[in-house]
Amino acid sequence: GQQLNQSPQSMFIQEGEDVSMNCTSSSIFNTWLWYKQEPGEGPVLLIALYKAGELTSNGRLTAQFGITRKDSFLNISASIPSDVGIYFCAGHKGPGSSNTGKLIFGQGTTLQVKP
Amino acid sequence: GAGVSQSPSNKVTEKGKDVELRCDPISGHTALYWYRQSLGQGLEFLIYFQGNSAPDKSGLPSDRFSAERTGGSVSTLTIQRTQQEDSAVYLCASSSPGTRTGELFFGEGSRLTVL
Repeated sequence: GQQLNQSPQSMFIQEGEDVSMNCTSSSIFNTWLWYKQEPGEGPVLLIALYKAGELTSNGRLTAQFGITRKDSFLNISASIPSDVGIYFCAGHKGPGSSNTGKLIFGQGTTLQVKP
Repeated sequence: GAGVSQSPSNKVTEKGKDVELRCDPISGHTALYWYRQSLGQGLEFLIYFQGNSAPDKSGLPSDRFSAERTGGSVSTLTIQRTQQEDSAVYLCASSSPGTRTGELFFGEGSRLTVL
């Protein structure tokens, strides 16, 4: 099935560094989301973006909905060890779909933070 | 409990056997989703239930896969005549009425291994 192209695939960084990851698609999405998954857990929603050009922050996390509606990025500032996990971007085609949870996911970015 | 509950957490089965995976959504959540996460991959939508409406089965990979939701609450995902390529983590998610697109609450998943 269709997937979003997410990069980088993995990152190994030093505590305190900033992190950036992005997601691209060949087609338009009307909603972009970023989820985080820790080992043995289900994904947890971090940030949701609903308008092209929207820039949203959640603590040390900042995400943007690309103006073309075909991309999004997530930045994490001043990383800490608990940021470790797999970060997934997800998109929803919308509007007009009654299934608002039918998402297309990227392959994930695995983040490791060295104390 | 307060979250989405899935069972079993781990299931090892032999090729050709049938398996059933169970999901108990968050109380009051009317929407329920099944996703599949293969090793190193993003999540893949399988099926969506919303109240008494007909389910969206567009993501089911073959007719060996089926799901039901009884009484608008608990859901069971059944895989018949399992194959090795069915090995994956099966994640269930739910959402409440009126939540915005893509805002899903995931369970911890059921890890299926087909030998």
